[in-house]
Amino acid sequence: EAQVTQNPRYLITVTGKKLTVTCSQNMNHEYMSWYRQDPGLGLRQIYYSMNVEVTDKGDVPEGYKVSRKEKRNFPLILESPSPNQTSLYFCASSLGSGVFNEQFFGPGTRLTVL
Amino acid sequence: DQQVKQNSPSLSVQEGRISILNCDYTNSMFDYFLWYKKYPAEGPTFLISISSIKDKNEDGRFTVFLNKSAKHLSLHIVPSQPGDSAVYFCAARHTGTASKLTFGTGTRLQVTL
Repeated sequence: EAQVTQNPRYLITVTGKKLTVTCSQNMNHEYMSWYRQDPGLGLRQIYYSMNVEVTDKGDVPEGYKVSRKEKRNFPLILESPSPNQTSLYFCASSLGSGVFNEQFFGPGTRLTVL
Repeated sequence: DQQVKQNSPSLSVQEGRISILNCDYTNSMFDYFLWYKKYPAEGPTFLISISSIKDKNEDGRFTVFLNKSAKHLSLHIVPSQPGDSAVYFCAARHTGTASKLTFGTGTRLQVTL
């Protein structure tokens, strides 16, 4: 089954404790992206990757890091989480960077930083 | 600066009637628009899209209308069904930015019996 998976689905942590949220897709997609969803703000892009070893900042990259060492994986790293990073996070992927490539989303990771 | 706006946070419609969800945008460089549907505890799923060179696109019960001069698009669902109850996000793609999408804030649709 074609899908985007994220782990963990739920995480409660404390300020400053480094964490990684994993994202994996099995569709051989080139483009991957991370979003956060906050009430009243919709989905905002954090980082995206056009292909292996090619990443770039989205609209709200502060406090986050990413890497793309393999095509299928795109982990989101919070080196020193803060309470304002409490949010619902979504990973997405699409076939390529061309026209009309719909994005497929993972199920989401709900992160709480105390 | 919210470039894609969904001014109605929620909408309630009776089963069988038409649901109309609205979206406004400010950036004239957007060239492709999409609607995503999101159920609780799931990621958004693609619903329907429209290119800026068209003014209407239809897929079964779902129709998207685009008014470029007004920078406005709308999603019509006819007839509405209880399974359509979800949050709907409007999204727009900027010309030349590949797959980068700018999302609206979402509208929660409740279809009542």
